[in-house]
Amino acid sequence: NAGVTQTPKFQVLKTGQSMTLQCAQDMNHEYMSWYRQDPGMGLRLIHYSVGAGITDQGEVPNGYNVSRSTTEDFPLRLLSAAPSQTSVYFCASSAAGTANTEAFFGQGTRLTVV
Amino acid sequence: GQQVMQIPQYQHVQEGEDFTTYCNSSTTLSNIQWYKQRPGGHPVFLIQLVKSGEVKKQKRLTFQFGEAKKNSSLHITATQTTDVGTYFCAGPDSNSGYSTLTFGKGTMLLVSP
Repeated sequence: NAGVTQTPKFQVLKTGQSMTLQCAQDMNHEYMSWYRQDPGMGLRLIHYSVGAGITDQGEVPNGYNVSRSTTEDFPLRLLSAAPSQTSVYFCASSAAGTANTEAFFGQGTRLTVV
Repeated sequence: GQQVMQIPQYQHVQEGEDFTTYCNSSTTLSNIQWYKQRPGGHPVFLIQLVKSGEVKKQKRLTFQFGEAKKNSSLHITATQTTDVGTYFCAGPDSNSGYSTLTFGKGTMLLVSP
């Protein structure tokens, strides 16, 4: 049972480059989210989706795009990488909203922008 | 906006000592969840509390939800080195229509043998 799979696990980008962080879940969860984790800042919500074709912005969306064409996949795109985007990125999924369900997290992508 | 605050930010204990982390929300929560993140790992769900005044136990871990449903605590009795990690509380985020979680900044626990 794979759960939530994120790729790549590590990435180094040069300033101005673009890339896509992949996230896939095999639990048929409707809700998916992207968080970034920085030292002392906890987990901050970037974008989220409540189902295929539906996405919305979180607390820190600038510089990131998302799309949700299928239930399984929720990629995060960095349009033009900046050093401020150096962080650990986590994708999470849950069966429904937060009412009574736990969130499952991927292993994370550790991104460095130089 | 909605905020979830956790204290302390960091605690270093000797193995066998007790540990408590506290979580406070600026708004009333329908439920609160706790997660543990091992060093270099990802957050893993521990428990969810729903009822006012609820207390749940998992072996040496005791979780409590306040009567007003605005605060919560996690207490670990007789810590072990396997308890090392960062503990996060999280509540439904009103900014996303309660579709996502808003996390406290976490309490990092270090246990020395």
